[in-house]
Amino acid sequence: GQNIDQPTEMTATEGAIVQINCTYQTSGFNGLFWYQQHAGEAPTFLSYNVLDGLEEKGRFSSFLSRSKGYSYLLLKELQMKDSASYLCAVIGSGNTGKLIFGQGTTLQVKP
Amino acid sequence: DGGITQSPKYLFRKEGQNVTLSCEQNLNHDAMYWYRQDPGQGLRLIYYSQIVNDFQKGDIAEGYSVSREKKESFPLTVTSAQKNPTAFYLCASSIGAGTHEQYFGPGTRLTVT
Repeated sequence: GQNIDQPTEMTATEGAIVQINCTYQTSGFNGLFWYQQHAGEAPTFLSYNVLDGLEEKGRFSSFLSRSKGYSYLLLKELQMKDSASYLCAVIGSGNTGKLIFGQGTTLQVKP
Repeated sequence: DGGITQSPKYLFRKEGQNVTLSCEQNLNHDAMYWYRQDPGQGLRLIYYSQIVNDFQKGDIAEGYSVSREKKESFPLTVTSAQKNPTAFYLCASSIGAGTHEQYFGPGTRLTVT
């Protein structure tokens, strides 16, 4: 079957660094997305990885290891507004664009 | 401004009634998607459409129907056959099928009592 695992909840302190992990087992792999979703709102795109390695974009970075079926999202210099859910999603085989989502990780940033 | 709109934001219905959720995009995207989100669960794909006049079932299509008569519109009907319709419904679009970023609408929270 297809499975994507993320921790359900995480807590971190303002100004700190937090790493949100995502492991996946899917039939085929055509890329991995990270989205941010504030409560009751639409998910917004953060990053896309299809090759192994680290992609850096401002305070956010995303890492992928295809051989390990593993990704992480790294958030630096945490701000209160970073309190949200972070969704890991994989595009499997085929060309349908179908995303398979993990359950999401709810991050709470404390002062 | 380009984007995706969903209306209404909140929708209340009685059990046994069909209800249609609207989704409109002016991004000129070919592909559109409907997801359902329940507390503590990830987004689950209901239906998707890669091009106008064509659509495919997702992972949880039972009790739902869609149409794609226009490129910019992809309405979702929640029928009385859907056993647990209360949920947050999200519509998304992308330039095309494949490995493209999906843009999400603001969502419709449907409550059925």
